[in-house]
Amino acid sequence: EVQLVESGGGLVQPGRSLRLSCAASGFTFDDYAMHWVRQAPGKGLEWVSGISWNSGSIGYADSVKGRFTISRDNAKNSLYLQMNSLRAEDTALYYCAKVARAYSSSCFDYWGQGTLVTVSS
Amino acid sequence: DIQMTQSPSTLSASVGDRVTITCRASQSISSWLAWYQQKPGKAPKLLIYKASSLESGVPSRFSGSGSGTEFTLTISSLQPDDFATYYCQQYNSLWTFGQGTKVEIK
Repeated sequence: EVQLVESGGGLVQPGRSLRLSCAASGFTFDDYAMHWVRQAPGKGLEWVSGISWNSGSIGYADSVKGRFTISRDNAKNSLYLQMNSLRAEDTALYYCAKVARAYSSSCFDYWGQGTLVTVSS
Repeated sequence: DIQMTQSPSTLSASVGDRVTITCRASQSISSWLAWYQQKPGKAPKLLIYKASSLESGVPSRFSGSGSGTEFTLTISSLQPDDFATYYCQQYNSLWTFGQGTKVEIK
């Protein structure tokens, strides 16, 4: 059974940093690209960042480019999101998501339950 | 960047109704479009991929169509479990979601 478990969220002051983690199990992690998607309270889904199976291809939404860094450790079946210079508008539930097709850019067939990040003074 | 526009934003319907949601892309995305269902407090669930392919385990009352810039999600006979918010997503160039369509009880 595929499981994605996010952690690392919490309350942080504007301008500070936070690192999110996603622990994956139930599939061959290093065959699949992984992504972060966020959802502000009461709002829609926003793609944040994605990383290919071998970390060779990485992308970011314009809203986080230069502030967030995605990475993965295939030996630990883990995905990360380093978030720096946090702003109030980064407040959201952050989901980790797995792509549906190995070795490809694809849609997302499994999602974690999310970790909440609140940016406030 | 590719923008995705869904309509309507809210849809009121009754059990048994045929429901159609539209998603338009700001430029051609071929058939690289997915549809998701999200219920309150839950993660999104993949329904349709590649515009018209039904994800395993998803009821056949859900169907998708379209290509290029215009796409639709159709629920042939709305069931009580289908009241939720639906999102389209393009994955032709990076990834972008539509703003969502809430299907509520009439």
